[in-house]
Parts: sequence; C-alpha cells; structure tokens
Amino acid sequence: DGGITQSPKYLFRKEGQNVTLSCEQNLNHDAMYWYRQDPGQGLRLIYYSQIVNDFQKGDIAEGYSVSREKKESFPLTVTSAQKNPTAFYLCASIPAGVYGYTFGSGTRLTVV
Amino acid sequence: AQSVTQPDIHITVSEGASLELRCNYSYGATPYLFWYVQSPGQGLQLLLKYFSGDTLVQGIKGFEAEFKRSQSSFNLRKPSVHWSDAAEYFCAVGRFSGGYNKLIFGAGTRLAVHP
Repeated sequence: DGGITQSPKYLFRKEGQNVTLSCEQNLNHDAMYWYRQDPGQGLRLIYYSQIVNDFQKGDIAEGYSVSREKKESFPLTVTSAQKNPTAFYLCASIPAGVYGYTFGSGTRLTVV
Repeated sequence: AQSVTQPDIHITVSEGASLELRCNYSYGATPYLFWYVQSPGQGLQLLLKYFSGDTLVQGIKGFEAEFKRSQSSFNLRKPSVHWSDAAEYFCAVGRFSGGYNKLIFGAGTRLAVHP
C-alpha cells in the first residue's frame, strides 16, 4: 500500500547532538513538508520541497536542515542550534497542484 | 496574514450527543478549507475538504462541515458522537504562495466523549 513512512517513531537526543528524522513516501507525490507539533500550538511549518534538490524555509526553520536528493525522501536534521527540539514531528506530501496533505505517523523527539 | 482560529481548546460531550467544533479563518481570497483528525501519537487523517460549490460538505466517519463566507467559518458537525470519535481535531486553510500549496493549521480542539 502507498503511504508515508516516518522513522523512528521515538527518538532521544542528548544536548548538543544532531539527529536526523526519516521521511519516505511511495505515493509519487511531488511536494513534501515537515511540520512541528507542540501541545496547544497546532502544526507549524519547518521546511517544504516541491522538487528534487530544491526546498524552502517555513515559519520555524531555524535550527533545522533538510535535503531532497530523491523524490521519495525528505529527511529532516534537528541540529544542536535548535534550543527546544522536544516535539512531535510530522511529514506530509501532496501531488503537484493539489491541496490536502497525506501525513506520516510522526516521530516524537525528546531531549534527554 | 492568513490565520485559523479554533476557539475551543477542549470539548466534552456524551456519547450519542450532537457535536459542533468551531473554526474561523482569515483569508483574502476564496479559501480552501480542511478538517483533520488526529488520534494520540498518530499522524493526521483528512476528514473533509471544501474547495468550491455546495457549502455543506460531507466527509468520512459521519462528519460534515458548513462553509459560511459571511461569518468566515467552517464548523464541523456530527449528529451523534461515538466513543471512538475522541481525538484532536484540526481545521486548516490552504494557501498558495511562491508556487507552493501550503496549509495553515488552527491550534486544535481536543474532544473527549463520556459514555
């Protein structure tokens, strides 16, 4: 079945450490997105990409980085510059010219 | 700037009772509107969407929503709530900017259902 796979489901990060969250889709969707979810704040856009080797900053990109080397993959790196990384991270995708995302099941990142 | 407001953070209803979740948006043009549902620790699932046409939209799981342009609202309704409807609900508006389609989400409404 087609869908979006996020891994790992749970991730623990030590202070000063970079970690990478995986997002893979087999839907042949063009655009991919990363959102951060905190309690009571809804979803906030971190980065998004329309095509391979191109991506744009969202509303809260500081302390994060991404790459889009393949159409089906859009990994997110949470760097040590992100001072409050503990959150639930959601990846989404859509075909070109379409509204309404398909979401992955999320990764919960905790700083220990 | 575009924004979405969900005035109710928490709502509790009894099983079998009717439900209405409120959503107000701010958007200059004709909006694309969505309702998503999220179970704990899971991703978001699309319930329904409005692009144009009939202002009453039917979705999955027995939900419907009504677009009211004069009130800038897109409220979600269900005539009889089931215990399995307990979840968090997000309203979103679509924004087209710089060649990208993006969604702006409200803060969410957490629904609890009493037996």
